[in-house]
Amino acid sequence: KQEVTQIPAALSVPEGENLVLNCSFTDSAIYNLQWFRQDPGKGLTSLLLIQSSQREQTSGRLNASLDKSSGRSTLYIAASQPGDSATYLCAVPPGGATNKLIFGTGTLLAVQP
Amino acid sequence: GAVVSQHPSRVICKSGTSVKIECRSLDFQATTMFWYRQFPKQSLMLMATSNEGSKATYEQGVEKDKFLINHASLTLSTLTVTSAHPEDSSFYICSAIGLAGGYQETQYFGPGTRLLVL
Repeated sequence: KQEVTQIPAALSVPEGENLVLNCSFTDSAIYNLQWFRQDPGKGLTSLLLIQSSQREQTSGRLNASLDKSSGRSTLYIAASQPGDSATYLCAVPPGGATNKLIFGTGTLLAVQP
Repeated sequence: GAVVSQHPSRVICKSGTSVKIECRSLDFQATTMFWYRQFPKQSLMLMATSNEGSKATYEQGVEKDKFLINHASLTLSTLTVTSAHPEDSSFYICSAIGLAGGYQETQYFGPGTRLLVL
Protein backbone atom coordinates (compact mmCIF):
# COMPACT_ATOMS: atom_id res chain seq x y z
CA LYS A 1 0.00 0.00 0.00
CA GLN A 2 1.40 3.35 -1.05
CA GLU A 3 2.18 5.70 1.81
CA VAL A 4 3.36 9.27 1.36
CA THR A 5 5.17 11.22 4.05
CA GLN A 6 6.27 14.82 4.11
CA ILE A 7 8.84 16.44 6.33
CA PRO A 8 8.96 18.79 8.00
CA ALA A 9 5.33 19.03 9.09
CA ALA A 10 5.77 22.75 9.62
CA LEU A 11 8.40 25.27 8.64
CA SER A 12 8.88 28.94 9.42
CA VAL A 13 11.49 30.96 7.54
CA PRO A 14 12.32 34.64 7.09
CA GLU A 15 11.48 36.27 3.80
CA GLY A 16 14.09 35.82 1.10
CA GLU A 17 15.36 32.47 2.29
CA ASN A 18 15.64 29.48 -0.01
CA LEU A 19 13.97 26.35 1.31
CA VAL A 20 13.41 22.68 0.56
CA LEU A 21 10.35 20.59 1.27
CA ASN A 22 10.62 16.81 1.27
CA CYS A 23 8.26 14.08 0.14
CA SER A 24 8.81 10.33 0.52
CA PHE A 25 6.75 7.49 -0.92
CA THR A 26 6.98 3.78 -0.18
CA ASP A 27 6.15 2.29 -3.60
CA SER A 28 8.58 3.52 -6.24
CA ALA A 29 6.47 2.24 -9.15
CA ILE A 30 4.73 5.57 -9.62
CA TYR A 31 3.37 7.02 -12.82
CA ASN A 32 3.98 10.61 -11.81
CA LEU A 33 4.21 12.90 -8.79
CA GLN A 34 2.50 16.20 -8.22
CA TRP A 35 3.05 19.09 -5.86
CA PHE A 36 0.09 21.17 -4.75
CA ARG A 37 -0.44 24.27 -2.69
CA GLN A 38 -3.42 24.73 -0.35
CA ASP A 39 -4.31 28.03 1.26
CA PRO A 40 -6.30 27.89 4.52
CA GLY A 41 -9.89 26.79 3.94
CA LYS A 42 -9.38 26.59 0.20
CA GLY A 43 -8.98 23.99 -2.50
CA LEU A 44 -5.74 22.88 -4.08
CA THR A 45 -3.66 24.55 -6.74
CA SER A 46 -1.42 22.34 -8.85
CA LEU A 47 2.16 23.61 -8.84
CA LEU A 48 4.21 21.03 -10.67
CA LEU A 49 3.68 17.59 -12.19
CA ILE A 50 6.69 15.33 -12.78
CA GLN A 51 6.31 12.31 -15.00
CA SER A 52 8.10 9.12 -13.94
CA SER A 53 10.59 9.53 -16.78
CA GLN A 54 11.58 13.02 -15.66
CA ARG A 55 13.97 14.04 -12.92
CA GLU A 56 12.80 17.59 -12.35
CA GLN A 57 10.37 20.31 -13.30
CA THR A 58 10.67 24.05 -12.88
CA SER A 59 8.11 26.82 -12.70
CA GLY A 60 9.31 30.27 -11.76
CA ARG A 61 10.88 30.15 -8.31
CA LEU A 62 9.80 26.54 -7.83
CA ASN A 63 11.84 23.48 -8.72
CA ALA A 64 10.70 19.94 -8.03
CA SER A 65 12.95 16.91 -8.32
CA LEU A 66 12.08 13.24 -8.43
CA ASP A 67 14.21 10.23 -7.52
CA LYS A 68 12.01 7.21 -8.07
CA SER A 69 14.55 4.65 -6.99
CA SER A 70 14.89 6.16 -3.55
CA GLY A 71 11.22 7.10 -3.28
CA ARG A 72 11.83 10.80 -2.81
CA SER A 73 10.88 14.14 -4.22
CA THR A 74 11.88 17.62 -3.15
CA LEU A 75 10.28 20.99 -3.76
CA TYR A 76 12.75 23.84 -3.79
CA ILE A 77 11.44 27.36 -3.31
CA ALA A 78 13.86 30.15 -4.10
CA ALA A 79 13.77 33.59 -2.53
CA SER A 80 10.70 32.87 -0.44
CA GLN A 81 7.99 35.53 -0.05
CA PRO A 82 5.20 35.96 2.52
CA GLY A 83 2.76 35.08 -0.25
CA ASP A 84 4.30 31.62 -0.38
CA SER A 85 2.82 30.87 3.05
CA ALA A 86 0.50 27.90 2.63
CA THR A 87 0.35 24.13 3.06
CA TYR A 88 2.27 22.21 0.42
CA LEU A 89 1.14 18.71 -0.48
CA CYS A 90 2.76 16.10 -2.66
CA ALA A 91 0.69 13.34 -4.22
CA VAL A 92 1.30 10.16 -6.19
CA PRO A 93 -0.92 7.58 -7.84
CA PRO A 94 -1.42 4.49 -5.64
CA GLY A 95 0.10 2.23 -8.24
CA GLY A 96 0.17 1.83 -11.99
CA ALA A 97 -1.34 4.15 -14.53
CA THR A 98 -4.26 5.61 -12.64
CA ASN A 99 -5.57 9.09 -12.07
CA LYS A 100 -6.21 8.44 -8.38
CA LEU A 101 -3.95 10.29 -5.97
CA ILE A 102 -2.56 9.47 -2.56
CA PHE A 103 -1.66 12.64 -0.71
CA GLY A 104 1.18 13.26 1.65
CA THR A 105 0.76 14.62 5.14
CA GLY A 106 1.63 18.14 4.05
CA THR A 107 4.09 20.83 5.11
CA LEU A 108 2.73 24.04 6.58
CA LEU A 109 5.01 26.86 5.47
CA ALA A 110 5.09 30.30 7.05
CA VAL A 111 7.31 32.95 5.48
CA GLN A 112 7.87 35.80 7.89
CA PRO A 113 8.13 39.34 6.44
CA GLY B 1 -8.95 27.59 -18.17
CA ALA B 2 -9.52 24.40 -16.18
CA VAL B 3 -11.79 25.82 -13.50
CA VAL B 4 -13.72 23.62 -11.11
CA SER B 5 -16.44 25.09 -8.91
CA GLN B 6 -18.25 23.73 -5.88
CA HIS B 7 -21.55 24.74 -4.40
CA PRO B 8 -22.24 25.53 -1.67
CA SER B 9 -18.96 26.79 -0.24
CA ARG B 10 -20.20 26.12 3.26
CA VAL B 11 -23.29 24.59 4.76
CA ILE B 12 -24.62 24.10 8.27
CA CYS B 13 -27.32 21.53 8.80
CA LYS B 14 -29.09 19.68 11.57
CA SER B 15 -28.25 16.10 12.41
CA GLY B 16 -30.35 13.66 10.39
CA THR B 17 -30.79 15.83 7.32
CA SER B 18 -29.24 15.24 3.91
CA VAL B 19 -26.91 17.65 2.19
CA LYS B 20 -26.05 17.83 -1.51
CA ILE B 21 -22.76 19.25 -2.75
CA GLU B 22 -22.23 20.05 -6.42
CA CYS B 23 -18.97 19.92 -8.33
CA ARG B 24 -18.81 21.47 -11.79
CA SER B 25 -16.11 21.70 -14.42
CA LEU B 26 -16.71 25.11 -15.95
CA ASP B 27 -14.64 25.13 -19.13
CA PHE B 28 -13.90 21.51 -19.91
CA GLN B 29 -15.62 18.16 -19.97
CA ALA B 30 -14.70 15.90 -17.11
CA THR B 31 -15.20 12.20 -17.63
CA THR B 32 -13.81 11.52 -14.18
CA MET B 33 -14.26 13.41 -10.95
CA PHE B 34 -12.93 12.58 -7.52
CA TRP B 35 -14.33 13.35 -4.09
CA TYR B 36 -12.05 13.89 -1.09
CA ARG B 37 -12.61 14.77 2.53
CA GLN B 38 -10.19 16.62 4.73
CA PHE B 39 -10.28 16.85 8.51
CA PRO B 40 -8.66 19.83 10.26
CA LYS B 41 -4.88 19.84 9.92
CA GLN B 42 -4.93 16.55 8.04
CA SER B 43 -4.34 15.61 4.46
CA LEU B 44 -6.89 14.77 1.81
CA MET B 45 -8.43 11.31 1.84
CA LEU B 46 -9.93 9.99 -1.38
CA MET B 47 -13.54 8.92 -0.87
CA ALA B 48 -14.65 7.86 -4.33
CA THR B 49 -14.12 8.09 -8.06
CA SER B 50 -17.05 9.36 -10.07
CA ASN B 51 -17.31 8.41 -13.74
CA GLU B 52 -19.86 9.99 -16.05
CA GLY B 53 -22.72 7.65 -16.81
CA SER B 54 -21.67 4.88 -14.43
CA LYS B 55 -21.67 4.04 -10.76
CA ALA B 56 -19.07 5.59 -8.53
CA THR B 57 -16.20 3.54 -7.18
CA TYR B 58 -15.76 3.93 -3.44
CA GLU B 59 -12.57 3.58 -1.49
CA GLN B 60 -12.32 1.02 1.26
CA GLY B 61 -14.10 2.10 4.39
CA VAL B 62 -16.35 4.68 2.71
CA GLU B 63 -20.07 3.90 3.03
CA LYS B 64 -21.66 4.17 -0.41
CA ASP B 65 -25.15 4.43 1.06
CA LYS B 66 -24.00 7.26 3.26
CA PHE B 67 -22.23 9.23 0.57
CA LEU B 68 -24.26 9.08 -2.63
CA ILE B 69 -22.45 10.18 -5.77
CA ASN B 70 -24.09 10.96 -9.08
CA HIS B 71 -22.14 11.98 -12.19
CA ALA B 72 -25.06 12.85 -14.44
CA SER B 73 -23.21 14.84 -17.09
CA LEU B 74 -19.71 15.57 -18.31
CA THR B 75 -19.61 18.75 -16.25
CA LEU B 76 -21.43 17.88 -13.05
CA SER B 77 -20.97 15.45 -10.18
CA THR B 78 -22.91 15.60 -6.93
CA LEU B 79 -22.15 14.21 -3.50
CA THR B 80 -25.08 13.75 -1.13
CA VAL B 81 -24.35 13.15 2.52
CA THR B 82 -27.40 11.28 3.72
CA SER B 83 -28.67 11.45 7.30
CA ALA B 84 -25.73 13.59 8.27
CA HIS B 85 -24.27 13.36 11.75
CA PRO B 86 -21.72 15.55 13.55
CA GLU B 87 -18.90 13.15 12.67
CA ASP B 88 -19.58 13.90 8.99
CA SER B 89 -18.51 17.48 9.57
CA SER B 90 -15.52 18.02 7.35
CA PHE B 91 -14.11 19.85 4.35
CA TYR B 92 -15.17 18.13 1.13
CA ILE B 93 -13.16 18.77 -2.02
CA CYS B 94 -13.78 17.56 -5.55
CA SER B 95 -11.40 17.36 -8.47
CA ALA B 96 -11.86 16.76 -12.15
CA ILE B 97 -9.88 15.36 -15.03
CA GLY B 98 -10.65 15.98 -18.66
CA LEU B 99 -9.39 14.27 -21.76
CA ALA B 100 -9.26 17.26 -24.04
CA GLY B 101 -7.02 20.27 -24.33
CA GLY B 102 -4.08 18.68 -22.59
CA TYR B 103 -5.80 18.28 -19.28
CA GLN B 104 -5.17 14.56 -19.07
CA GLU B 105 -3.43 13.39 -15.90
CA THR B 106 -3.67 16.73 -14.15
CA GLN B 107 -6.42 17.00 -11.57
CA TYR B 108 -8.06 20.37 -11.13
CA PHE B 109 -9.52 20.95 -7.72
CA GLY B 110 -12.60 22.77 -6.60
CA PRO B 111 -12.46 25.32 -3.76
CA GLY B 112 -14.02 22.92 -1.28
CA THR B 113 -17.23 22.80 0.76
CA ARG B 114 -17.19 23.17 4.52
CA LEU B 115 -19.91 21.02 6.10
CA LEU B 116 -20.90 21.49 9.72
CA VAL B 117 -23.50 19.15 11.17
CA LEU B 118 -25.04 20.29 14.43
